[in-house]
Amino acid sequence: DIQMTQSPSSLSASVGDRVTITCQASQDISNYLNWYQQKPGKAPKLLIYDASNLETGVPSRFSGSGSGTDFTFTISSLQPEDIATYYCQQYDNLPTIIPYTFGQGTKLEIK
Amino acid sequence: EVQLVESGGGLVQPGGSLRLSCAASGFTFSSYEMNWVRQAPGKGLEWVSYISSSGSTIYYADSVKGRFTISRDNAKNSLYLQMNSLRAEDTAVYYCARVGFYSSSFDYWGQGTLVTVSS
Repeated sequence: DIQMTQSPSSLSASVGDRVTITCQASQDISNYLNWYQQKPGKAPKLLIYDASNLETGVPSRFSGSGSGTDFTFTISSLQPEDIATYYCQQYDNLPTIIPYTFGQGTKLEIK
Repeated sequence: EVQLVESGGGLVQPGGSLRLSCAASGFTFSSYEMNWVRQAPGKGLEWVSYISSSGSTIYYADSVKGRFTISRDNAKNSLYLQMNSLRAEDTAVYYCARVGFYSSSFDYWGQGTLVTVSS
């Protein structure tokens, strides 16, 4: 099974800061990597799919990059409404047992 | 408008059973793969189970294999999760989530239903 290592687990930043979260896969997953935002008491929301594609309606300050095993999620200028927990998720397109795995999550707070 | 609405959660004793439902609307349900994802209180997201659009391919997380059964009724636009032999560690909010048609992502999620396993 593919394991995902997401870091950091928590992050404190100021409004306007550039924020970066990383996710590392235990083996090559090509670009099968997605990023979600979850606010307290709410369902997760898709932000970035296939590593770098912005979901429709998502602000352009959110971006993703990477391929293979190393991926990065960036908020170019942090806004107060971006306070949430962010998760990466991988998809194994040749699954033997487990097709999806989530990272551990990154809780983003305002400094 | 795409909508996914879960139901069936509640309080159940250890060893008991529960059946979750997810009612889909606003899209051609029979064309989409679906999943169940859960989140224990204060914890991260855990993928639980996957079912293909036709129901012919199914996967489970190791933590639920042999106890949970995913199914769907395309005529009723509904997804199900039969949960048996429930344990305290199954306590979580359970979400149904749709797989995007052109990507591997979960593009729509329900609001979740809480399952509490406790005596």
